Amino acid sequence: DQQVKQNSPSLSVQEGRISILNCDYTNSMFDYFLWYKKYPAEGPTFLISISSIKDKNEDGRFTVFLNKSAKHLSLHIVPSQPGDSAVYFCAASASGGYQKVTFGIGTKLQVIP
Amino acid sequence: DAGVIQSPRHEVTEMGQEVTLRCKPISGHDYLFWYRQTMMRGLELLIYFNNNVPIDDSGMPEDRFSAKMPNASFSTLKIQPSEPRDSAVYFCASKLAGGRGNEQFFGPGTRLTVL
Repeated sequence: DQQVKQNSPSLSVQEGRISILNCDYTNSMFDYFLWYKKYPAEGPTFLISISSIKDKNEDGRFTVFLNKSAKHLSLHIVPSQPGDSAVYFCAASASGGYQKVTFGIGTKLQVIP
Repeated sequence: DAGVIQSPRHEVTEMGQEVTLRCKPISGHDYLFWYRQTMMRGLELLIYFNNNVPIDDSGMPEDRFSAKMPNASFSTLKIQPSEPRDSAVYFCASKLAGGRGNEQFFGPGTRLTVL
């Protein structure tokens, strides 16, 4: 049972446009959310996170939005660059177990020059 | 810092053989995690350690899987006997308690193929 769901296996976006990656979760105990980026033949690297006390967190071109009532979060990349082409993993953890992080299956983003 | 180091990077073995994957975490990190990545299930947490002590091994799929952390700078994940369905990429990650945004640092992974 996937507690963190990334329903879009892939996404293609033109360079300079906005990329929106979506993630849904089912476990209401989750209160901390993360996005990781992964290039081929490398391990995932941390990108951005958000606590459930917030609904938005921004870091440069990357913004994560959290809608707790819908159990939904999204990652916006503006503007998208070819170097952003990678697999993006959504992840979540719960209070009292922050070390245990549940990941989605990932969304492959391709930014077309 | 060299980051998290994993060896080997690729492993091809035959069904029934023992496989040992190795990990050296970032110096000073007090948490170590083992994950498995497959197309169908994404990244799954297998087990994690805190200060060399196993804390949660509920993700270990079967008794064929075992993990150890004899000291702060080394951990192994062993599969005995291996089966074709164990084929996957295995990642090791480490983390400093109270680190930025609950960030884990991942190694490059070991791609395991069991024939």
